[in-house]
Amino acid sequence: DARVTQTPRDKVTEMGQEVTMRCQPILGHNTVFWYRQTMMQGLELLAYFRNRAPLDDSGMPKDRFSAEMPDATLATLKIQPSEPRDSAVYFCASGLERGTYGYTFGSGTRLTVV
Amino acid sequence: EDQVTQSPEALRLQEGESSSLNCSYTVSGLRGLFWYRQDPGKGPEFLFTLYSAGEEKEKERLKATLTKKESFLHITAPKPEDSATYLCAVQAFSGGSNYKLTFGKGTLLTVNP
Repeated sequence: DARVTQTPRDKVTEMGQEVTMRCQPILGHNTVFWYRQTMMQGLELLAYFRNRAPLDDSGMPKDRFSAEMPDATLATLKIQPSEPRDSAVYFCASGLERGTYGYTFGSGTRLTVV
Repeated sequence: EDQVTQSPEALRLQEGESSSLNCSYTVSGLRGLFWYRQDPGKGPEFLFTLYSAGEEKEKERLKATLTKKESFLHITAPKPEDSATYLCAVQAFSGGSNYKLTFGKGTLLTVNP
């Protein structure tokens, strides 16, 4: 089965450090999402790309977060500087435009900021 | 703003005891309603998409139904391996060509043997 690959699987970092999370979407998928999951808020949309162009980043804290797709095989999410409140699981998902066959999620990056 | 509310937050069943999970939604126009299953430490796994009121979809012991205000996930004769968090999400027309998903907080299902 095709998979969405996320790295790293786990990341522990100190407050103030830069964090970069990477995602390899499924080949042929033109839509990529970044979601953040916490117990309190559940899954929240951070960024949304179609054909590598950013479509919606309204849920992303602009002062410290940035998301890019340098090419069709790589999406990145950066936090600089990181804060303890950024501790969460970050998921990448990919799919075809309307999600007719659903969107496939990766296994996530568990981020802990101490 | 699109809103999704799932109930109950947690549900414990005995093996073989059928039940239903609820997903209530508020959107200006529903494009699609998605159900996902999430196991601990893993990403959500796609189950179904429903597009119009009256539509039903089935997969093994699961059946999803849709009305104009809510969706139900019916679990028939559940087994312990059905234990997971079930997530509901909506995709709205209000976003134009924006096909993002707005998720509920999920129902944690535990099936005891």
